[in-house]
Amino acid sequence: TQLLEQSPQFLSIQEGENLTVYCNSSSVFSSLQWYRQEPGEGPVLLVTVVTGGEVKKLKRLTFQFGDARKDSSLHITAAQPGDTGLYLCAESIHGSSNTGKLIFGQGTTLQVKP
Amino acid sequence: NAGVMQNPRHLVRRRGQEARLRCSPMKGHSHVYWYRQLPEEGLKFMVYLQKENIIDESGMPKERFSAEFPKEGPSILRIQQVVRGDSAAYFCASSPPAREETQYFGPGTRLLVL
Repeated sequence: TQLLEQSPQFLSIQEGENLTVYCNSSSVFSSLQWYRQEPGEGPVLLVTVVTGGEVKKLKRLTFQFGDARKDSSLHITAAQPGDTGLYLCAESIHGSSNTGKLIFGQGTTLQVKP
Repeated sequence: NAGVMQNPRHLVRRRGQEARLRCSPMKGHSHVYWYRQLPEEGLKFMVYLQKENIIDESGMPKERFSAEFPKEGPSILRIQQVVRGDSAAYFCASSPPAREETQYFGPGTRLLVL
């Protein structure tokens, strides 16, 4: 069974600081998605990474996919209070029935204090 | 282009009643997924549907839960004879054809069973 581990579980920082959160798998990812979820809302897709070693940037967010496609990181530069939320990584599982269900990690709860 | 729509946003039921949760996918999306988020737990896959077909229901409890995605109208997740343990946030996601890993989530329905 695929297992996604995210670390740290909780992170509380001051506005302007940098941070990195991690997502690790027990086996190779086919593709990896990062989502952000705010309280009372659904997850919002941030990025999909597919190729080992891939780096994608979204404003102050940098997503990296490990060369072996078993780990990924999300780095936020100069964090702002608006970055506060639950950051989730997820893998799309493709089985014999070609199902695309997502397996989610437990998430990293980020709090950015003004 | 409207996103994934879910209603109701909040639903209160007494034990033994039925709960019906509705999901309208994004325009052009033919794949619908239901996930459940229990308090203090991560998002868990329940069921994957295409129009008039259940593709994967491996995450759905065997009893009391059912899902459909008719040719016309929204997808429905139905919970019969609700119990307190069914209290959770239920999220629907949709994806375009052949892009199952790219799932866009709705705002969720928060079910509270008294």
